[in-house]
Amino acid sequence: DAGVTQSPTHLIKTRGQHVTLRCSPISGHKSVSWYQQVLGQGPQFIFQYYEKEERGRGNFPDRFSARQFPNYSSELNVNALLLGDSALYLCASSLSLSYEQYFGPGTRLTVT
Amino acid sequence: DAKTTQPPSMDCAEGRAANLPCNHSTISGNEYVYWYRQIHSQGPQYIIHGLKNNETNEMASLIITEDRKSSTLILPHATLRDTAVYYCIVRVVKTDSWGKFQFGAGTQVVVTP
Repeated sequence: DAGVTQSPTHLIKTRGQHVTLRCSPISGHKSVSWYQQVLGQGPQFIFQYYEKEERGRGNFPDRFSARQFPNYSSELNVNALLLGDSALYLCASSLSLSYEQYFGPGTRLTVT
Repeated sequence: DAKTTQPPSMDCAEGRAANLPCNHSTISGNEYVYWYRQIHSQGPQYIIHGLKNNETNEMASLIITEDRKSSTLILPHATLRDTAVYYCIVRVVKTDSWGKFQFGAGTQVVVTP
């Protein structure tokens, strides 16, 4: 069975630009969460979506936004990129809100 | 959500059992204990979770103390592929609400030949 997939794998952007990251959950999973992992630290929660509705938000600025589509895939958007946004962005899916989450391989974003 | 405390690092000999401790002294009655691991540059991998009873699956065993203030993840026969950062997380789980995973710094486990 296919696991969580994310695209692209790697991305290089310039300060001030916008980026869109994509995630496809495991088949049958209706909840998607996004995390940011800066080098040397554990993942930090950004958003959780369930049935296309935002159900949780972490302590991130409004430059970060996300959405979930009818097929349960999801996009994470980051506007006005800063150097500090350089990180591994992880997507995780789960059957519903309360189940364990399964993570994708992540998208490595470098902002120069 | 309650916070957890883990040792920053530990070594384990290949073939031996690895016992990873976690303290969660402020855990609430409706919070589960989850364990994940992250092999270098990969996404975290779910290992096991439990509420109050000991749990075992094909990857590991989870031992939770009776007062639920601490737990131990046991890898019964460590292999070199078990070298990873191991995260202990406590999380509220309700059927119709969300409970985010708060990752700490974790324990860097190095399995040596």
